[in-house]
Amino acid sequence: DAGVIQSPRHEVTEMGQEVTLRCKPISGHDYLFWYRQTMMRGLELLIYFNNNVPIDDSGMPEDRFSAKMPNASFSTLKIQPSEPRDSAVYFCASHPGGDTGELFFGEGSRLTVL
Amino acid sequence: DQQVKQNSPSLSVQEGRISILNCDYTNSMFDYFLWYKKYPAEGPTFLISISSIKDKNEDGRFTVFLNKSAKHLSLHIVPSQPGDSAVYFCAAIKGRGNYGGSQGNLIFGKGTKLSVKP
Repeated sequence: DAGVIQSPRHEVTEMGQEVTLRCKPISGHDYLFWYRQTMMRGLELLIYFNNNVPIDDSGMPEDRFSAKMPNASFSTLKIQPSEPRDSAVYFCASHPGGDTGELFFGEGSRLTVL
Repeated sequence: DQQVKQNSPSLSVQEGRISILNCDYTNSMFDYFLWYKKYPAEGPTFLISISSIKDKNEDGRFTVFLNKSAKHLSLHIVPSQPGDSAVYFCAAIKGRGNYGGSQGNLIFGKGTKLSVKP
């Protein structure tokens, strides 16, 4: 029973480069979330989708960040251009719908921007 | 402004004793609360939840208590085991977690790192 799958697990890049993080949610889950974890801010929501449609992107820090969900089984979070302050662990999570509140998280993508 | 606060960044407990992790919230509209556990290099995993219509929920060694008037909840682990050593996140949401109702998203605290010593 596959959980949420994220790639890459680790990414080291130089400032100014484009970074693309990928996520495959649990099959049948209608909601997909992108979170970022940093020491200063903890776990913060960046954006979430329902049935592939972005619902709330108010957490996206700035225009350098963009997220897409072209189909029910795939989403990307892109940072272009990347900056050192973007260094964090990025988590993808999915939710089946209904009123449980429980999110299922992937293992995260650790991004380091030099 | 943090809506969910975990004021203790770390907690150390002896194996077999009780671990008590605390969480405070400011938004009285929150009506569903969850605890997540996170091991290093892994994603957070759901542990236990409680609805605002209850004041206690128990699952094995884990019990969550909710004090709505104080806007405070706590997670009790009894007895604590070394495998419980992890970071614990408190989270809260409006609308009983029904994202389809556009009630907003799950708000997390910054976490408390629990160390259970043998």
